[in-house]
Amino acid sequence: DAGVTQSPTHLIKTRGQQVTLRCSPKSGHDTVSWYQQALGQGPQFIFQYYEEEERQRGNFPDRFSGHQFPNYSSELNVNALLLGDSALYLCASSSRRAWGSPLHFGNGTRLTVT
Amino acid sequence: GQQLNQSPQSMFIQEGEDVSMNCTSSSIFNTWLWYKQDPGEGPVLLIALYKAGELTSNGRLTAQFGITRKDSFLNISASIPSDVGIYFCAGHTGNQFYFGTGTSLTVIP
Repeated sequence: DAGVTQSPTHLIKTRGQQVTLRCSPKSGHDTVSWYQQALGQGPQFIFQYYEEEERQRGNFPDRFSGHQFPNYSSELNVNALLLGDSALYLCASSSRRAWGSPLHFGNGTRLTVT
Repeated sequence: GQQLNQSPQSMFIQEGEDVSMNCTSSSIFNTWLWYKQDPGEGPVLLIALYKAGELTSNGRLTAQFGITRKDSFLNISASIPSDVGIYFCAGHTGNQFYFGTGTSLTVIP
């Protein structure tokens, strides 16, 4: 039973560039949430997707966008990268059928913006 | 967003000791989760709590959903070196999970 998988594991980008991060949810899960975790902080909610639409959004600018595919996998896109976007980006999956269903996390993508 | 305060921020304990940490908020939550995160990895779910007053164990770990629904507690008994890591609480409300700032645990052999 595959858990949540994320790619790539590490990424180095330059200010102003764009980046795409990918996530495959745990088998049986239909909802994907993305979190940003700065060093020494707890995860901060970016947005959540299910049924291929963004359903909830945290306090992040429009430079952060996403997509969910029919197979429930998801992408996180960040445009016009800033130095402050350097963080661990975590994908978490859950099931809409179970309200309050726990989040299962991948190991994240470490993004460094120089 | 919702603010979850975890304490203590860090702990240094001897192997074999028991550990207690908690998470408090001014908001009411419907679900409380506890996660452990090792360096370079994503958070791993330890315990999920769904009812006020609920007490749930997972091996040496025991967590409680506070009766006010504004707090939760995690206890680790007889700590071992592999308990080292950062522990996060997460509360669910408004169809979203909010995370605490974490408790860093160091176990001294």
